Amino acid sequence: QITLKESGPTLVKPTQTLTLTCTFSGFSLSTSGVGVGWIRQPPGKALEWLALIYWDDDKRYSPSLKSRLTITKDTSKNQVVLTMTNMDPVDTATYYCAHTWELLIFDYWGQGTLVTVSS
Amino acid sequence: ETTLTQSPAFMSATPGDKVNISCKASQDIDDDMNWYQQKPGEAAIFIIQEATTLVPGIPPRFSGSGYGTDFTLTINNIESEDAAYYFCLQHDNFPLTFGQGTKLEIK
Repeated sequence: QITLKESGPTLVKPTQTLTLTCTFSGFSLSTSGVGVGWIRQPPGKALEWLALIYWDDDKRYSPSLKSRLTITKDTSKNQVVLTMTNMDPVDTATYYCAHTWELLIFDYWGQGTLVTVSS
Repeated sequence: ETTLTQSPAFMSATPGDKVNISCKASQDIDDDMNWYQQKPGEAAIFIIQEATTLVPGIPPRFSGSGYGTDFTLTINNIESEDAAYYFCLQHDNFPLTFGQGTKLEIK
């Protein structure tokens, strides 16, 4: 059974760096074809894909946010970490992580974690 | 970047109805379209893969159609438990992009 859970601060100040952790079970990020991605949804707005990391450490980023994002994995801990620098109130959103395997893109999702950016 | 235009943004249905949700891509994405269902506070559920394939365990009243640029999620014989937010995702090219979502209310 695949599960994912996001964790991190609920409140960050403008200009700070956000660090979110996705802790998962039921699969390994060392298995060929497996990946974990991050997606966010501002209140009342559409979902936005942020980043994706694959089993072979291939990384993909949203072009509009690439300069602010870093995605890494710790296979031994079953975790994927996303950092986003220079946070702004417009980054207030629910942040989700999701599993990918081959063409099964985002077939399992976490419940999400709400991050508010405010001074 | 492939833009997905999803409509309608909101719809209301009565149990037993049939509803269609549309997702139009700004360029040809073959059948690289997925559909998801999300309820408040819960993880999103993967319901349709590759435009037309029902994900195992999803009720057969859900179906997907389309290829290229025009895609449709159809829910037949709607049940009250289908009240949710539905969204599409294209994975033909990076950046991955989502539709704006549809909130489905059951009267």
